[in-house]
Amino acid sequence: NAGVTQTPKFQVLKTGQSMTLQCAQDMNHNSMYWYRQDPGMGLRLIYYSASEGTTDKGEVPNGYNVSRLNKREFSLRLESAAPSQTSVYFCAGWAGSYNSPLHFGNGTRLTVT
Amino acid sequence: QQQVKQSPQSLIVQKGGISIINCAYENTAFDYFPWYQQFPGKGPALLIAIRPDVSEKKEGRFTISFNKSAKQFSLHIMDSQPGDSATYFCAAPVPDSWGKLQFGAGTQVVVTP
Repeated sequence: NAGVTQTPKFQVLKTGQSMTLQCAQDMNHNSMYWYRQDPGMGLRLIYYSASEGTTDKGEVPNGYNVSRLNKREFSLRLESAAPSQTSVYFCAGWAGSYNSPLHFGNGTRLTVT
Repeated sequence: QQQVKQSPQSLIVQKGGISIINCAYENTAFDYFPWYQQFPGKGPALLIAIRPDVSEKKEGRFTISFNKSAKQFSLHIMDSQPGDSATYFCAAPVPDSWGKLQFGAGTQVVVTP
């Protein structure tokens, strides 16, 4: 039982390159989220998916796209990476009851040069 | 615009001492206040949470104190241990959202032996 799995763990991109961050969960969660973590900024929501087939913007969606491939998988795509997107990215799942916790993966550390 | 403001940014405490982290919120519609703990290289994980109908909740050495009139809540770590060294985030759910959390900026706690 792996929980929430993110790949890759580390990535270095050049400005303008594209890449997709992968996330898969085996907890049967309907809702999934992508956050970015930057020093002094906490975790900020990029996109979320309340259920399979739906996606919505969060607080900082510019420069990103997402795909909810099926109930298990939720990917985040950077079409043209910029240095401002250097960050640690976390995927999370949520069971759906109000006070149930977010279950986070271990993150992808992305550097854009 | 951060609706949950956390302080201090970092703190160093000796083994056996008390760590105190404070959070202030603006939106009176927030009605659930979790704290997440994050170890280096890992994703955040729920530590303890409180609803505003109680003023204090204790789980082991961790206590949340809640002051509704001041719109503040705090985390106390009693008898701090080196294994408590981590980053701590307070959070609150975005009203009428779907599992979305607003996080504070985080506090890095270092417990010295």
